[in-house]
Amino acid sequence: SQTIHQWPATLVQPVGSPLSLECTVEGTSNPNLYWYRQAAGRGLQLLFYSVGIGQISSEVPQNLSASRPQDRQFILSSKKLLLSDSGFYLCAWRPGRHEQYFGPGTRLTVT
Amino acid sequence: DQQVKQNSPSLSVQEGRISILNCDYTNSMFDYFLWYKKYPAEGPTFLISISSIKDKNEDGRFTVFLNKSAKHLSLHIVPSQPGDSAVYFCAASETGANSKLTFGKGITLSVRP
Repeated sequence: SQTIHQWPATLVQPVGSPLSLECTVEGTSNPNLYWYRQAAGRGLQLLFYSVGIGQISSEVPQNLSASRPQDRQFILSSKKLLLSDSGFYLCAWRPGRHEQYFGPGTRLTVT
Repeated sequence: DQQVKQNSPSLSVQEGRISILNCDYTNSMFDYFLWYKKYPAEGPTFLISISSIKDKNEDGRFTVFLNKSAKHLSLHIVPSQPGDSAVYFCAASETGANSKLTFGKGITLSVRP
């Protein structure tokens, strides 16, 4: 069966520090992968998606970037965090035509 | 511009009764709709979906209804259980758009014992 992992589960970082969040998927190959953010009191906002290694599409101009160095690995990064980057970050993958399945998420607090 | 709207931020129902969660959309290109359930500090869990070629899809206690002319869908939970208490997100996608999902802001459902 397929499993999606995210780490760390929680992170507290000062403003201006770098960020690296990792997502990995097991039990499948060449999945479509997605990064979402849920800010306080808001819905899920799509940040990036990837259809293959090295292929990244950005949905929202921002302080973040994404990379896909391996087939089942998706990384979300920032060189300098802002207070507004705080939120709950979710990685998802798509096995079929429409449904996406989410990882457990990372709670990021920028202080 | 919010293309998927969940206008009611919260809903409270008695255990055993029906919960009806509503969702509206504005993009006529959306042809697939999904509902997700989310507990605090966890990732959303896929619940049920419906294609635009149907007007109803049922899975156990969960039924989703789609009214394309009104650009409206609803999730019915019958009977409601305390474990159903969570945030419910409506999402929509457009075939061919790399299956990107557009989410609403969510509805917090509270089921009272």
